[in-house]
Amino acid sequence: ETGVTQTPRHLVMGMTNKKSLKCEQHLGHNAMYWYKQSAKKPLELMFVYNFKEQTENNSVPSRFSPECPNSSHLFLHLHTLQPEDSALYLCASSQARDPSNEQFFGPGTRLTVL
Amino acid sequence: DQQVKQNSPSLSVQEGRISILNCDYTNSMFDYFLWYKKYPAEGPTFLISISSIKDKNEDGRFTVFLNKSAKHLSLHIVPSQPGDSAVYFCAANNAGKSTFGDGTTLTVKP
Repeated sequence: ETGVTQTPRHLVMGMTNKKSLKCEQHLGHNAMYWYKQSAKKPLELMFVYNFKEQTENNSVPSRFSPECPNSSHLFLHLHTLQPEDSALYLCASSQARDPSNEQFFGPGTRLTVL
Repeated sequence: DQQVKQNSPSLSVQEGRISILNCDYTNSMFDYFLWYKKYPAEGPTFLISISSIKDKNEDGRFTVFLNKSAKHLSLHIVPSQPGDSAVYFCAANNAGKSTFGDGTTLTVKP
């Protein structure tokens, strides 16, 4: 595998379910990100991890819980979500000290909350 | 308050002609600007970037222009090809954090 991978690609869940999104990067990067993309809205930054430490939480509700066990893996744990949380969730990675902050994105997980 | 705006949601051009995509920003602290391209069912991919100390960067058919006094940047694609049809996002960086625009859907007609 190369680049940034995300699983699952599609997820349908009820409001009482608990699920997790997984992201893995094979680029040797040390920064990882979660973004949310809703219809007709810009990409919204959710969380940033640098060297496994969370450095940004963009006022995300606690029903979204990130986990970064090492610099190659990033999870987003979901519980008691709302229908308005339905969106495309994108993971990205970059070199933490790259001044341009060029990010490499995964294909995303299309989440539908019923 | 949206700090990065792409005011044209869509643009259609003929193959071989120039495509010009525009982006405006409000935060003068942004130090790097990037353009990403996104095809359906894929994540965005990096296209070209420019530092705030420059006013132009060129890479093949793609050129980005930065006008700091107007807080405006643009991406020129020439000649445009049907494979360029995608959603284009501009992004602006400050302290390692990227803020994205809404995106512009470019359609290049054969």
